[in-house]
Amino acid sequence: EVQLGESGGGLVQPGGSLRLSCAASGFTFSSTWMSWVRQAPGKGLEWMANIKPDGSEKYYVDSVKGRFTISRDNAKSSLYLQMNSLRVEDTAVYYCVRSVWNSIDQWGQGTLVTVSS
Amino acid sequence: DVVMTQSPLSLPVTLGQPASISCRSSQSLVHSDGNTYLTWFQQRPGQSPRRLIYKVSNRDSGVPDRFSGSGSGTDFTLKISGVEPEDVGVYYCMQGTHWPRTFGQGTKVEIK
Repeated sequence: EVQLGESGGGLVQPGGSLRLSCAASGFTFSSTWMSWVRQAPGKGLEWMANIKPDGSEKYYVDSVKGRFTISRDNAKSSLYLQMNSLRVEDTAVYYCVRSVWNSIDQWGQGTLVTVSS
Repeated sequence: DVVMTQSPLSLPVTLGQPASISCRSSQSLVHSDGNTYLTWFQQRPGQSPRRLIYKVSNRDSGVPDRFSGSGSGTDFTLKISGVEPEDVGVYYCMQGTHWPRTFGQGTKVEIK
């Protein structure tokens, strides 16, 4: 069974940093594109970033370019999102997702990031 | 960025009656590889999204056959042939043809 488990969310002040982690199991992580998607409270879904299986290619939405970094450790079957210079508008539930065939076929349970003073 | 526009944004439906959600893209979703990467997700209250349909019309394993997807180019539709109580939630379309990937605003399906 495919499982994606996010961790690392919490309360952080504006301008601060946070690192999210996602533990994957039940599939060949090292062969799979992975992504982060977020959802602000009561709002819709926003795709954040993608990373190629070997980590050699990364894509970001404009609103987080230069502030967020997606990375992975295939030996640990783990995905990460380093978030710097956080803004109030980054407050959201962050989902780790598996990307297959230009789609998303598996979602984690999400981790809440709250940016507030 | 490709803008995905869903309508309606709210859809009250009588149990057992059909429902239809439209999703329009600002650019063609036909990829250079010939595929059209349009996905539909369902998000029930308090849950993570779940994929229903991929590549316009392919239903995921375990998804009831009352759900169907259709369309081409820039115009797509998700249909529920007869709404059940467990279908309450928000439905999103997403395009996977262009970077960045983008979602529709969501359509909230509720029971009248």
